[in-house]
Amino acid sequence: EAQVTQNPRYLITVTGKKLTVTCSQNMNHEYMSWYRQDPGLGLRQIYYSMNVEVTDKGDVPEGYKVSRKEKRNFPLILESPSPNQTSLYFCASSTGLALNGGYNEQFFGPGTRLTVL
Amino acid sequence: AQSVTQLDSHVSVSEGTPVLLRCNYSSSYSPSLFWYVQHPNKGLQLLLKYTSAATLVKGINGFEAEFKKSETSFHLTKPSAHMSDAAEYFCVVSSSAQAGGYNKLIFGAGTRLAAHP
Repeated sequence: EAQVTQNPRYLITVTGKKLTVTCSQNMNHEYMSWYRQDPGLGLRQIYYSMNVEVTDKGDVPEGYKVSRKEKRNFPLILESPSPNQTSLYFCASSTGLALNGGYNEQFFGPGTRLTVL
Repeated sequence: AQSVTQLDSHVSVSEGTPVLLRCNYSSSYSPSLFWYVQHPNKGLQLLLKYTSAATLVKGINGFEAEFKKSETSFHLTKPSAHMSDAAEYFCVVSSSAQAGGYNKLIFGAGTRLAAHP
């Protein structure tokens, strides 16, 4: 089954304790991205990757790191989490550009609910 | 800059009555537009997308949306609501390379649809 998986689905941690949220896709997509969802703000992009070893900042990158060593995996790293990073996080993947010049849909993982105390 | 405005944060309808979720966008370039749905405690699922083909786009579960360039709108409609339609709906514009982005999704704040008997 074509899917994007994230782990863990739920995580409660304390301020300053490094954590990693994993994301994996089995669709051979080149493009992957991380978003955070906060009430009333919709989803905001944290980082994205156009391909292996190519990553770039989104709208809210502060406090986050990513890496793309393999095509299928795109982990999100919080080196020193703070309470303002309490949020619902989504990983997404896509083939990128469509043949007509538009953009193909992005497929989303199930989400990771993170609480930082 | 590109942006998306969902005009209603909450919409409540009776089962069997029409649904209208309003969305306006701002873009200097020909946009790709999407509607995503998020059911409680679930990830995001694509309902439909517009990528410069037909202006009336049909999606899953009986939803459709019409792209109106003159009004910069992409409203989502369904002729007859069902209880299972209760969810949060996001209007999304995809940033273009010309606008300084690459396959970046810009989300509206969301509209929560409630359907009651």
